[in-house]
Amino acid sequence: EAGVAQSPRYKIIEKRQSVAFWCNPISGHATLYWYQQILGQGPKLLIQFQNNGVVDDSQLPKDRFSAERLKGVDSTLKIQPAKLEDSAVYLCASSLAPLGYGYTFGSGTRLTVV
Amino acid sequence: AQTVTQSQPEMSVQEAETVTLSCTYDTSESDYYLFWYKQPPSRQMILVIRQEAYKQQNATENRFSVNFQKAAKSFSLKISDSQLGDAAMYFCAYRSGKSNTGKLIFGQGTTLQVKP
Repeated sequence: EAGVAQSPRYKIIEKRQSVAFWCNPISGHATLYWYQQILGQGPKLLIQFQNNGVVDDSQLPKDRFSAERLKGVDSTLKIQPAKLEDSAVYLCASSLAPLGYGYTFGSGTRLTVV
Repeated sequence: AQTVTQSQPEMSVQEAETVTLSCTYDTSESDYYLFWYKQPPSRQMILVIRQEAYKQQNATENRFSVNFQKAAKSFSLKISDSQLGDAAMYFCAYRSGKSNTGKLIFGQGTTLQVKP
């Protein structure tokens, strides 16, 4: 079974630029999550999708972050404009259902904002 | 709001020895799940062990076991016969038992060093 795919693996941008991350979950997984992991901290949930609907985006900085999951499969997370404090690893995860087994993480995208 | 605290930023253990990583959490919920995840340099979070709050029996997975103290809100991970491949960052995580949320709340992590 293929895992959760994320790209790019690394990204360096200047502050105020925009950036987008892509995630392809495990086939059949209806639930998709984006987490932000700042260096030295545990991951923090940014947004949870159930199919193509948003379940929880309470910790998403909506003035600069946006996410979509068209057709309930792939997802894109965008930051526009980026700030220095957005430097982090962005992890995508998916599961069959919110409480289902098989909660699987991708290897993340490391973003550096300079 | 639920919180998870790991008070040991770094731990080290000699190969083949046993080490215990600590975790405490705070919640007012009665139905929840607790997890330990391992994060190697590859960055992928790997599930080590899972504990359902309603189960009194402590979970075990081969060399990994937990000490779940529900009243004390404590959830420690014991790694027996430590191996070089166990070196990684370990995160304790909490998830509510509510049906529509899969949100994991993580602690700050503990870096485990295994010495040969």
